[in-house]
Amino acid sequence: QVQLKESGPGLVQPSQTLSLTCTVSGFSLTSNSVHWVRQPPGKGLEWVGAIWSGGSTDYNSALKSRLSISRDTSKSQVFLKMNSLQTEDTAIYFCTRFNWYYFDYWGQGVMVTVSS
Amino acid sequence: EIVLTQSPTTMAASPGEKVTITCRASSSVSYMYWYQQKSGASPKPWIYETSKLASGVPDRFSGSGSGTSYSFTISSMETEDAATYYCHQWSSTLTFGSGTKLEIK
Repeated sequence: QVQLKESGPGLVQPSQTLSLTCTVSGFSLTSNSVHWVRQPPGKGLEWVGAIWSGGSTDYNSALKSRLSISRDTSKSQVFLKMNSLQTEDTAIYFCTRFNWYYFDYWGQGVMVTVSS
Repeated sequence: EIVLTQSPTTMAASPGEKVTITCRASSSVSYMYWYQQKSGASPKPWIYETSKLASGVPDRFSGSGSGTSYSFTISSMETEDAATYYCHQWSSTLTFGSGTKLEIK
């Protein structure tokens, strides 16, 4: 069955780089896009960015200068890298599959805290 | 960027009561999408392409609207419907509404 699982450090120091991995199973990254969505504690959802099935990427314009999303199709993994982290980047980071209509499967999320 | 404004921000409904949530877009969108999120859980798809129910969603839920004005309705509130609901569009750069927290009275 379709599954997505986020992994990465729970704590990142301010100004450092965040690296997250989304490992998927049950589908191919060349068939569906994978998106990142984040949620600050107690707040709403914010779309972060995406890597489409063809390999192209789209980013939230507010984060674009700090963000990079890539993938390794052979390992069924999607990577998020965000630099110059600030406390405002503290959030749960979800990866989710887009089925061309909506986000149908979501990972459990990984909590990232930016703090010294 | 299209801004989605949901109202109300929070509300409480009694079992059996009709519930309506609105989502207004700052520019016209082709469709609206809705997600349900319960505390500590990942969001779940709930309504797609404005009015279609995602798999497993009870038919007491419905969606409607067009252009810049959309709504989400529960015909008869049940305890299990208590959650936060987010509207979402991808006609332009993807954005989410700020959410409506629905509680049971």
